[in-house]
Amino acid sequence: DGGITQSPKYLFRKEGQNVTLSCEQNLNHDAMYWYRQDPGQGLRLIYYSQIVNDFQKGDIAEGYSVSREKKESFPLTVTSAQKNPTAFYLCASRPQGGGTGANVLTFGAGSRLTVL
Amino acid sequence: QKEVEQDPGPLSVPEGAIVSLNCTYSNSAFQYFMWYRQYSRKGPELLMYTYSSGNKEDGRFTAQVDKSSKYISLFIRDSQPSDSATYLCARRGYGGSQGNLIFGKGTKLSVKP
Repeated sequence: DGGITQSPKYLFRKEGQNVTLSCEQNLNHDAMYWYRQDPGQGLRLIYYSQIVNDFQKGDIAEGYSVSREKKESFPLTVTSAQKNPTAFYLCASRPQGGGTGANVLTFGAGSRLTVL
Repeated sequence: QKEVEQDPGPLSVPEGAIVSLNCTYSNSAFQYFMWYRQYSRKGPELLMYTYSSGNKEDGRFTAQVDKSSKYISLFIRDSQPSDSATYLCARRGYGGSQGNLIFGKGTKLSVKP
């Protein structure tokens, strides 16, 4: 089945540590996204990538980094510079081009990061 | 490119009730709107997708866009406990970020048996 796989599902981190969240898709989608979700805040865009080896900052990129070396993979690193990293992180993807499908994001199941 | 406003609720209704969920947006140029459903500790899943004005129906769900008042709505008929979730409205961005979605904060719905 095609979809987006995020791992790990739950992650605990000590303050000052970097952590990397994995996102893999087998949908052959060109664009990939990382959102952060906090209670009462909705989804906020961290980074997105529309093509391999290229990515753009979203609304809350500070303290995060990404890479896009392969079409299928878009890992997110939460660095120690992120002041409040405890949150639910969602990866998403969509195809490029025209048509209805290009407007719709498909999401992974999410990764919950807790900083101790 | 901001401003999709959504009442966070929570909204609690008895089973079988008609549910109305609403969002407002700021720019009448927006044309693509979506509703996502998110169960607790899961990723959002697409529920409905609409373009421009009018209604779209899918089973017990109806999505409505009123461009004159910049209002989008999701109606759920004969609501079921399995409809208990957070509902997120979203609009597509435009210009250089047209592929990005801008989300409302979500409305948490609880349907009581």
